Amino acid sequence: DADVTQTPRNRITKTGKRIMLECSQTKGHDRMYWYRQDPGLGLRLIYYSFDVKDINKGEISDGYSVSRQAQAKFSLSLESAIPNQTALYFCATSDLSGETGGYNEQFFGPGTRLTVL
Amino acid sequence: SQKIEQNSEALNIQEGKTATLTCNYTNYSPAYLQWYRQDPGRGPVFLLLIRENEKEKRKERLKVTFDTTLKQSLFHITASQPADSATYLCALEGAGKLVFGAGTILRVKS
Repeated sequence: DADVTQTPRNRITKTGKRIMLECSQTKGHDRMYWYRQDPGLGLRLIYYSFDVKDINKGEISDGYSVSRQAQAKFSLSLESAIPNQTALYFCATSDLSGETGGYNEQFFGPGTRLTVL
Repeated sequence: SQKIEQNSEALNIQEGKTATLTCNYTNYSPAYLQWYRQDPGRGPVFLLLIRENEKEKRKERLKVTFDTTLKQSLFHITASQPADSATYLCALEGAGKLVFGAGTILRVKS
């Protein structure tokens, strides 16, 4: 969805490197999320932010950090990448005034495929 | 422990038939449940929401049921088409956030 963009789309890196994945949105949503997707495990929540000053850990935050630079920007960092962080990473947004009237319908970006060698 | 289960095996059906996908959960009491569609290499796209006090919801060829006693949601696509082939994810509300199942692959053959 062009309203939520992620960069880079693909990245190959080596163990121990620092990596930043970026997410930008033009939907004007306050809430932003980072998920990772692994085959057979579905989407798992890494971090989420309900507004610029709010950052919360999700189910699998170890080894990751985030920064909410503005309402529209939410970055995910891997301080020292390891091979088991190889996965598909998705950013998503939501707000309380969408089609579902506040029931957290989420809008996803196209994903970043990260490979850690 | 909390668990969301969707059929891990792909569902293969013939064009024109009704596809039925299952989402079972344990140790959750979700206020609502959502279904998403995901195409290969793309992010999930929201399809339908059903609240805990609703038994059934429809949108065009899609129908969702939600049985809080059985802890199960069924997702139906009637008159299925090859373009419906995708992975379908259920997502439950858990502590104000969404918790996703692993998804079921649907293949509709012409």
